Amino acid sequence: EDQVTQSPEALRLQEGESSSLNCSYTVSGLRGLFWYRQDPGKGPEFLFTLYSAGEEKEKERLKATLTKKESFLHITAPKPEDSATYLCALRGFQKLVFGTGTRLLVSP
Amino acid sequence: GAGVSQSPSNKVTEKGKDVELRCDPISGHTALYWYRQSLGQGLEFLIYFQGNSAPDKSGLPSDRFSAERTGGSVSTLTIQRTQQEDSAVYLCASTAGTGGPYSNQPQHFGDGTRLSIL
Repeated sequence: EDQVTQSPEALRLQEGESSSLNCSYTVSGLRGLFWYRQDPGKGPEFLFTLYSAGEEKEKERLKATLTKKESFLHITAPKPEDSATYLCALRGFQKLVFGTGTRLLVSP
Repeated sequence: GAGVSQSPSNKVTEKGKDVELRCDPISGHTALYWYRQSLGQGLEFLIYFQGNSAPDKSGLPSDRFSAERTGGSVSTLTIQRTQQEDSAVYLCASTAGTGGPYSNQPQHFGDGTRLSIL
């Protein structure tokens, strides 16, 4: 069974303090790993898709990377507006499986 | 429309009542999904539509839950005889293409309906 585990559950950073969010997974055959951002009261907003180990994608202060066992979402010099819950989702040969997310709070 | 639209945004109802939740996908998106998000839980898949057909309804938790889609566009999720455990946020997503739940296309979500059962 495909599984996704995100850590930490919650992360508090000071503005400008870079860090990484982790998404560990087990899958029978990886067909894609997705990162989403979810703001309170809103639906998940698509950020990135990664398809194979070694792949990296960047968008503003966010960079997603992928290995055979985990994906990282690196946040460089975060700003308060980066505060949100970040979800990863795994596509194997079964339905999309979502993690429970990391709640990120960036303080000014 | 520009994005996935869901209504109502909030619904409060008494236990035992029926509720209908509506989803209007992105124009041209043929695939539509319903998920349930409970506090502290990952998104739980409910049902997938391709056009007006539902090839995968394996996530519907009980026969009190049903969904339909008409005209390859708007979908309605109906919960009959609601129970308190049905309280959650119900999210709808759509994608372009025909890959279904196994597609690599990113899913685009609406803002959900927050359902509260008293």
